[in-house]
Amino acid sequence: EIVLTQSPGTLSLSPGERATLSCRASQSVSSSYLAWYQQKPGQAPRLLIYGASSRATGIPDRFSGSGSGTDFTLTISRLEPEDFAVYYCQQYGSSPPGTFGQGTKVEIK
Amino acid sequence: QVQLVQSGAEVKKPGSSVKVSCKASGGTFSSYAISWVRQAPGQGLEWMGGIIPIFGTANYAQKFQGRVTITTDESTSTAYMELSSLRSEDTAVYYCARSVGLPVRWYFDLWGRGTLVTVSS
Repeated sequence: EIVLTQSPGTLSLSPGERATLSCRASQSVSSSYLAWYQQKPGQAPRLLIYGASSRATGIPDRFSGSGSGTDFTLTISRLEPEDFAVYYCQQYGSSPPGTFGQGTKVEIK
Repeated sequence: QVQLVQSGAEVKKPGSSVKVSCKASGGTFSSYAISWVRQAPGQGLEWMGGIIPIFGTANYAQKFQGRVTITTDESTSTAYMELSSLRSEDTAVYYCARSVGLPVRWYFDLWGRGTLVTVSS
């Protein structure tokens, strides 16, 4: 089973700054089958990125994903107040499909 | 647009079972798989299993094999997740999620709002 490790655990930034979140897999993720989700307190997760770099419907272009193999990155180019949340990566290239990272919290500095 | 509407919160005794429902409204149900993902208080996300309604065959995470059953009722566009032999560690929010991609190579593009299941004596 592929293990995903996200770093850092917490990212303290100010609105307008750039956020860079990392997701590292214990084995290569097949076909870049990696997704990113955003979760706010008391809400369900929301899909941001799939296929490592494709934005989901309605996701602003300040969110971008990159990477392949074992190293993936979610970048938020300029943080808006509504972007402060927890972010999870998930691999779906091998079974079980629901392997998630432990999350990165982006908090207001 | 399609929404996934889940049943309400449950309080259960240890050793009992819980069955949570997830109704798809406003769109086609059978075209997508449905997965169940849970989140214990303050913890991360954990995939439990998923089902493709038109095939009716479910796949389960090894951790939950033998304890979880996922089914669908296409006539009502509803998916169900039943978890048995409940213990306190099963206290969590249970989400249903529309699952996209190759069979059992899914990501999750639409989520229900979650159902809190509390296991307590």
